[in-house]
Amino acid sequence: EPEVTQTPSHQVTQMGQEVILRCVPISNHLYFYWYRQILGQKVEFLVSFYNNEISEKSEIFDDQFSVERPDGSNFTLKIRSTKLEDSAMYFCASSLQGAWETQYFGPGTRLLVL
Amino acid sequence: KNEVEQSPQNLTAQEGEFITINCSYSVGISALHWLQQHPGGGIVSLFMLSSGKKKHGRLIATINIQEKHSSLHITASHPRDSAVYICAWGGGSNYKLTFGKGTLLTVNP
Repeated sequence: EPEVTQTPSHQVTQMGQEVILRCVPISNHLYFYWYRQILGQKVEFLVSFYNNEISEKSEIFDDQFSVERPDGSNFTLKIRSTKLEDSAMYFCASSLQGAWETQYFGPGTRLLVL
Repeated sequence: KNEVEQSPQNLTAQEGEFITINCSYSVGISALHWLQQHPGGGIVSLFMLSSGKKKHGRLIATINIQEKHSSLHITASHPRDSAVYICAWGGGSNYKLTFGKGTLLTVNP
């Protein structure tokens, strides 16, 4: 069964460093998402991406964040200058259509900023 | 104010019991999703509902659009059902899901 994959599974970085989280969505899906979950808290929406552009972004998704689909398969989230409060699990998801369709989640990247 | 409220927050059951988790939402929706998050963190989509009822194995999800309420039922619960169950709604721009805080279910043998 097709699945969403994410790399790395864990990343430890120093505050102020740049990190890139990578995702490979399901191949025929058209909508891509990043969510994050701070330890012990609910899952929060960051950004959605469709047709090579951002469809919607949350207040969390400020100028330090960016997303890109550099080729036909990868979908990346870049955090330019990490802060302690960026420590969280980051989930990529994809769906064939929008949020009225099932979203398929990757296993997540656990980011720890020291 | 969270637009999705789940109850209970925590639920402990004995193996074999019938489980009900509730979700109330305050906005018009396109779809209501139920998801499962295991202790390792991975999230799996269980159901997506816009009306009525869906069943998959021992899991049943219902939604009442007029009352803005959905329930997830687990029949004949098993310890492997232990997980966090999350409801989320998709609507408005239809580009994102808004999540509830989740219900931690523990099923004891």
